[in-house]
Amino acid sequence: GENVEQHPSTLSVQEGDSAVIKCTYSDSASNYFPWYKQELGKRPQLIIDIRSNVGEKKDQRIAVTLNKTAKHFSLHITETQPEDSAVYFCAATTGTYKYIFGTGTRLKVLA
Amino acid sequence: EAGVTQFPSHSVIEKGQTVTLRCDPISGHDNLYWYRRVMGKEIKFLLHFVKESKQDESGMPNNRFLAERTGGTYSTLKVQPAELEDSGVYFCASSLLAGDSEQYFGPGTRLTVT
Repeated sequence: GENVEQHPSTLSVQEGDSAVIKCTYSDSASNYFPWYKQELGKRPQLIIDIRSNVGEKKDQRIAVTLNKTAKHFSLHITETQPEDSAVYFCAATTGTYKYIFGTGTRLKVLA
Repeated sequence: EAGVTQFPSHSVIEKGQTVTLRCDPISGHDNLYWYRRVMGKEIKFLLHFVKESKQDESGMPNNRFLAERTGGTYSTLKVQPAELEDSGVYFCASSLLAGDSEQYFGPGTRLTVT
């Protein structure tokens, strides 16, 4: 069935360093890839998304890259700050309503 | 704009009891989704409503789970009788459009079955 693998499960970086989270999806028909951030005790919130007709998208310190051939997509956070500490979820969808999520990455930014 | 709200935020019940979770989507959002995250695992799709109609309930674990959305506004998810493996965080989300559009999540209901 449809599956999204996400790595690593935990990631610790020093403040100011970069963080990269990687996801692999199984359904080649997937065409929309959102990333959600869930801070402790709060709701998951969309931080960036990418569609299959685009290879890269950037929003300030956050960027997402997509490799359709390899069925990989990645989240890149540069110049990390303590407020970036959260659980990040990748997801994939074939354009229907159902999001297939990864298992999440707990990012800790050390001051 | 008020976001998706869920009630209760936490629920602790004993095995065999019944629990009902409620979700109020963003006003005007016809699409409503339920998801569940069991500890350490992925957020897993349970079902999708368009207005009051169930479009897909393929993710519902078994017939102990019943979701309703009477009138096409708020939705309830009832678990009866609850089992230990039902513990987890239940998220509700809503969207204006189905397909590749943003789903807005609620804060979740943490359900603990003892």
